Amino acid sequence: DAKTTQPTSMDCAEGRAANLPCNHSTISGNEYVYWYRQIHSQGPQYIIHGLKNNETNEMASLIITEDRKSSTLILPHATLRDTAVYYCIVRVGGLTGGGNKLTFGTGTQLKVEL
Amino acid sequence: DAGVIQSPRHEVTEMGQEVTLRCKPISGHNSLFWYRQTMMRGLELLIYFNNNVPIDDSGMPEDRFSAKMPNASFSTLKIQPSEPRDSAVYFCASNPNPGQGTPNYGYTFGSGTRLTVV
Repeated sequence: DAKTTQPTSMDCAEGRAANLPCNHSTISGNEYVYWYRQIHSQGPQYIIHGLKNNETNEMASLIITEDRKSSTLILPHATLRDTAVYYCIVRVGGLTGGGNKLTFGTGTQLKVEL
Repeated sequence: DAGVIQSPRHEVTEMGQEVTLRCKPISGHNSLFWYRQTMMRGLELLIYFNNNVPIDDSGMPEDRFSAKMPNASFSTLKIQPSEPRDSAVYFCASNPNPGQGTPNYGYTFGSGTRLTVV
């Protein structure tokens, strides 16, 4: 799986958009970008994934650059409950695939403040 | 959907004792993963199963660690004998196999078992 690089930490004011960047310059054509988050003392939670098109769901939006070498996770209106570690993971395959391991890096600690 | 269920939530044991962690995956999910999380090493994949068969156990740290999945609805991770350096939060996750339609995308993690070996 391609390596990803994320900032160690970020701060965001409540109600504002949180934009979390991820670099994956060695991504291959068949590798997807996945985002997970881990709220303190809980298990990681799936947020969103994409291949090359921008994606949006009820939790967030994922913007992938045209060359696919970087992406940004956007939480449009961050709340205090969004304080968590956010992991950007690049992995071969689609959503399913029990044969594919999910490897976590160190992620970005997002702190949402009043 | 009760999600991935792990037990116990907390376990405190003495060094040298056997520890067994349990996991019930989401019904219909055919892949199961065991992770360990510590401050120093972050989230590490220990082993994963596909259709109850261990596929990759390269992350299992030592022979003291073993994992089984006797059926599709149950898995155990055993440490014998336990050591203080095994203290960590152990997570179990499940995921459907290719071809199974599901509205629940990605891996689903349990709440974890916090193990303390004294």
